[in-house]
Amino acid sequence: DQQVKQNSPSLSVQEGRISILNCDYTNSMFDYFLWYKKYPAEGPTFLISISSIKDKNEDGRFTVFLNKSAKHLSLHIVPSQPGDSAVYFCAEGSGDKLTFGTGTRLAVRP
Amino acid sequence: DTEVTQTPKHLVMGMTNKKSLKCEQHMGHRAMYWYKQKAKKPPELMFVYSYEKLSINESVPSRFSPECPNSSLLNLHLHALQPEDSALYLCASSPGGRGKRWAEQPQHFGDGTRLSIL
Repeated sequence: DQQVKQNSPSLSVQEGRISILNCDYTNSMFDYFLWYKKYPAEGPTFLISISSIKDKNEDGRFTVFLNKSAKHLSLHIVPSQPGDSAVYFCAEGSGDKLTFGTGTRLAVRP
Repeated sequence: DTEVTQTPKHLVMGMTNKKSLKCEQHMGHRAMYWYKQKAKKPPELMFVYSYEKLSINESVPSRFSPECPNSSLLNLHLHALQPEDSALYLCASSPGGRGKRWAEQPQHFGDGTRLSIL
């Protein structure tokens, strides 16, 4: 049973525009979330995280929003760049292990 | 350059072979992880080591045998694997530390070993 879901397997965005990647979770006890980016033939790299005591965390072009009542989080990338093209995984880290979502492949068109 | 180094990058082996995957980090991290990733799927946790001791085994078949010889090295010994074990095997590390929730600490991943079982 997938407790962290990314319902959009792929997303295509024009360079310079906003990319919005979504993630839903089922367990209301989850209280810490992370986003990772993965290029082909490389391991995932950490992007940004958020604790449930916040509803927003920002780091440069990346902002993560958390809506606890909806059990939903989103990653905004503004402005999107071709180098952002990758697979993005949300993950929950409320215990001793990460549980990854199913991933969204982002393609940023020049 | 990745701070977690995995060797080999690719491995092809028969079902009767014995081989080992290696992972090395020099960041002083005390938690190390093995993940398995199948095509178009997310990474799935296999094992967690903390301070060189196995702390989590996600019900992994015994044909996978992890080993942590010291704080910088993590091995995964493979024996009698099945074709369905073909996957990308990722190693990761994080600072660890007692009394902390490890999963909140960003994990540093290696680039993985792509394993094919004939």
